[in-house]
Amino acid sequence: TQLLEQSPQFLSIQEGENLTVYCNSSSVFSSLQWYRQEPGEGPVLLVTVVTGGEVKKLKRLTFQFGDARKDSSLHITAAQPGDTGLYLCAGRRGSRLTFGEGTQLTVNP
Amino acid sequence: KAGVTQTPRYLIKTRGQQVTLSCSPISGHRSVSWYQQTPGQGLQFLFEYFSETQRNKGNFPGRFSGRQFSNSRSEMNVSTLELGDSALYLCASSFGGPATNEKLFFGSGTQLSVL
Repeated sequence: TQLLEQSPQFLSIQEGENLTVYCNSSSVFSSLQWYRQEPGEGPVLLVTVVTGGEVKKLKRLTFQFGDARKDSSLHITAAQPGDTGLYLCAGRRGSRLTFGEGTQLTVNP
Repeated sequence: KAGVTQTPRYLIKTRGQQVTLSCSPISGHRSVSWYQQTPGQGLQFLFEYFSETQRNKGNFPGRFSGRQFSNSRSEMNVSTLELGDSALYLCASSFGGPATNEKLFFGSGTQLSVL
């Protein structure tokens, strides 16, 4: 059983569309991170959220940590082909960082 | 500043063999973590080393082992390879030790194929 469930697993959209990716768990995390991974590369950290209800924005990307610190969402506005990649959430409990399986996003021109 | 370097980039082995993967962290980073990435399981935590000591271990069999040297470089070893060990093995480094929110810097990984 995966501790962190991401949905959807796959998402294919057209350039300019908006999308939301979800990361859910029944466990409470002290912090949650989002990474993006491109083919042939390791994941790259996008953001870390720490406080319940926290919202962070990174250009067209908006990250939210749930009030109970059990879930998070990533919203992309006006998606571009350069946003294509595998988006991974990772929750920290104590000294352990646990990753979700990821959402594979494809943005078609 | 050079990033995290993993060697080799690709590796093909047969069942029963053993393999050693290498990871050189960013200069000054003292923590190295290893992850196994497969399409069905995502990133699974293997172990974490800080200042040459294993601080955390994931739920992998004893065939998977690792170590860290005084210069923070790390190696992981897999003995008696099985087909299911085929995966991308990722190494990540950070300055701080476990239980920190410090940014993890990942290498590009070693793609291991077991035939």
